[in-house]
Amino acid sequence: DSGVTQTPKHLITATGQRVTLRCSPRSGDLSVYWYQQSLDQGLQFLIQYYNGEERAKGNILERFSAQQFPDLHSELNLSSLELGDSALYFCASSVELETPQHFGDGTRLSIL
Amino acid sequence: ELKVEQNPLFLSMQEGKNYTIYCNYSTTSDRLYWYRQDPGKSLESLFVLLSNGAVKQEGRLMASLDTKARLSTLHITAAVHDLSATYFCAVFSGGGADGLTFGKGTHLIIQP
Repeated sequence: DSGVTQTPKHLITATGQRVTLRCSPRSGDLSVYWYQQSLDQGLQFLIQYYNGEERAKGNILERFSAQQFPDLHSELNLSSLELGDSALYFCASSVELETPQHFGDGTRLSIL
Repeated sequence: ELKVEQNPLFLSMQEGKNYTIYCNYSTTSDRLYWYRQDPGKSLESLFVLLSNGAVKQEGRLMASLDTKARLSTLHITAAVHDLSATYFCAVFSGGGADGLTFGKGTHLIIQP
């Protein structure tokens, strides 16, 4: 158990819809990262938050957004969903920048 | 753009054999991470290599880092079936304010 909690584990929705994925980092970890894993693109970094502030952006679409709250949990919002957004979305956390990242179990998103 | 290349991408081997997975990356980085992923599961941190010449071993797995060659290796000794999984290497592009860039992964099958 990595200590990183992601909910829900599975999400099935339709094109055009909006969903919110939630992540609670390990206790004491200030940095939260979101990744997308798909067969086509592999594992891709989406966005990072550190102690409540956006720190870096990767290959995140404009339809996607995220935030980190004062209690350090984070949410990833995906809107105007397309079939290609079907993927496994991971959250990871670390104590500080550049320290090992610990991954949650992921949320499997299926778009019908 | 940082590129991380692993080879081979697929490896089928017999129990008891030795083999090496290679990870090349295109930027100057002194931090490299190896992760293991079982099908449909999360990523488990295996090794963190923090400097040139770093070598770490855990059971039948040994990882090394040559920052001058921009190369890391993951060596498997006397493979056992339980090591069947997908192995990823990942690199920070630098500065700390960034997520990990992953290789495509090496899908390893160890046959009894």
